[in-house]
Amino acid sequence: DQQVKQNSPSLSVQEGRISILNCDYTNSMFDYFLWYKKYPAEGPTFLISISSIKDKNEDGRFTVFLNKSAKHLSLHIVPSQPGDSAVYFCAASQISSGSARQLTFGSGTQLTVLP
Amino acid sequence: ETGVTQSPTHLIKTRGQQVTLRCSSQSGHNTVSWYQQALGQGPQFIFQYYREEENGRGNFPPRFSGLQFPNYSSELNVNALELDDSALYLCASSLPGRNTEAFFGQGTRLTVV
Repeated sequence: DQQVKQNSPSLSVQEGRISILNCDYTNSMFDYFLWYKKYPAEGPTFLISISSIKDKNEDGRFTVFLNKSAKHLSLHIVPSQPGDSAVYFCAASQISSGSARQLTFGSGTQLTVLP
Repeated sequence: ETGVTQSPTHLIKTRGQQVTLRCSSQSGHNTVSWYQQALGQGPQFIFQYYREEENGRGNFPPRFSGLQFPNYSSELNVNALELDDSALYLCASSLPGRNTEAFFGQGTRLTVV
């Protein structure tokens, strides 16, 4: 039972254009959402996050949108650059057993930005 | 300020053996979580340690166990290794009161043969 889904395993975009990565979730208990970027042979790097009480958060070229009614979030990268080529993971956060705050990840989307 | 570091980076073990993976958390981070990432999948939560106690666990059997030390570093131990335990094991640390954002190490690639 996948609680966080990234249905596009890959996405190719021209340099300078917008990249839109999508993510769907099913668990209403998630109260925080994050995007991580991962290069080969490295751990995931935190990119941007959004609280469930907001619908948009912007940080430079990166904007995350949250649609709670649709249980959908997206990451927009504008303009896309070749260095943005990586695997992008959507993650959702909740308080789990005990008092731990755990992340539930999607399966990732490989973004390739073409020069 | 050093980031999250994990050792070793790669490891090959035989089925049935035991393994210990190590993690040094980022300076000042008192919460450490461990994740397993199988090939082609996202990381899966194993457990979390706070103040040297396990305070949350994912859907992993008891042969996955851990420790956290007073300096906040941590170990992940896996007993009776199975072939399906082959994966990238990631350690993540977070700031007190800011554990919504976890910072990851580069991972340990474990191969069970």
